[in-house]
Amino acid sequence: DAGVIQSPRHEVTEMGQEVTLRCKPISGHDYLFWYRQTMMRGLELLIYFNNNVPIDDSGMPEDRFSAKMPNASFSTLKIQPSEPRDSAVYFCASSGDLAPDTQYFGPGTRLTVL
Amino acid sequence: QKEVEQNSGPLSVPEGAIASLNCTYSDRGSQSFFWYRQYSGKSPELIMSIYSNGDKEDGRFTAQLNKASQYVSLLIRDSQPSDSATYLCAVKTSYDKVIFGPGTSLSVIP
Repeated sequence: DAGVIQSPRHEVTEMGQEVTLRCKPISGHDYLFWYRQTMMRGLELLIYFNNNVPIDDSGMPEDRFSAKMPNASFSTLKIQPSEPRDSAVYFCASSGDLAPDTQYFGPGTRLTVL
Repeated sequence: QKEVEQNSGPLSVPEGAIASLNCTYSDRGSQSFFWYRQYSGKSPELIMSIYSNGDKEDGRFTAQLNKASQYVSLLIRDSQPSDSATYLCAVKTSYDKVIFGPGTSLSVIP
């Protein structure tokens, strides 16, 4: 199994630009999670999906953030417009129905907004 | 009060010693508890989960849970330099959300 795949691994952009992060969960997993990790705030859950449907987006910081899961094998997290305070490592994780709490994390995308 | 709290660390132990990592949580209705290990620059990796009061052992790792005290710990026996990492405590709350603690950095000195 290839594990959770995220792209890009690193992204450097300028304030005001749109940023799109991508995630491919482990095949067969029904849950997909987006996290953000910073030194100040630690690891925070932004949103999670079950069977492609957003279940809890209460962690999405503001309207500039949006996430979609058009099918079982692909999800995006978009930031528009980006701000320097969005700089962080963004992780995608997935889990299966039999063990929904056993989350497998992707390698993360390190985002730097200048 | 933060929902999940951990020793701020860093925690340094000599090779071969027992490392003890502690975590407290605020939601008394929480039922599921997890320990993740995160090496520098890498993603979190689940190493232990515990759901019932008492101890759960897996190799050199032992998770301990005391729901009455709202306390969960991780013991690492015979610590190795390869155990040097940040350990994240995670709690699934009564409202079905997994909350991560800030992590404790562990350094095992050869």
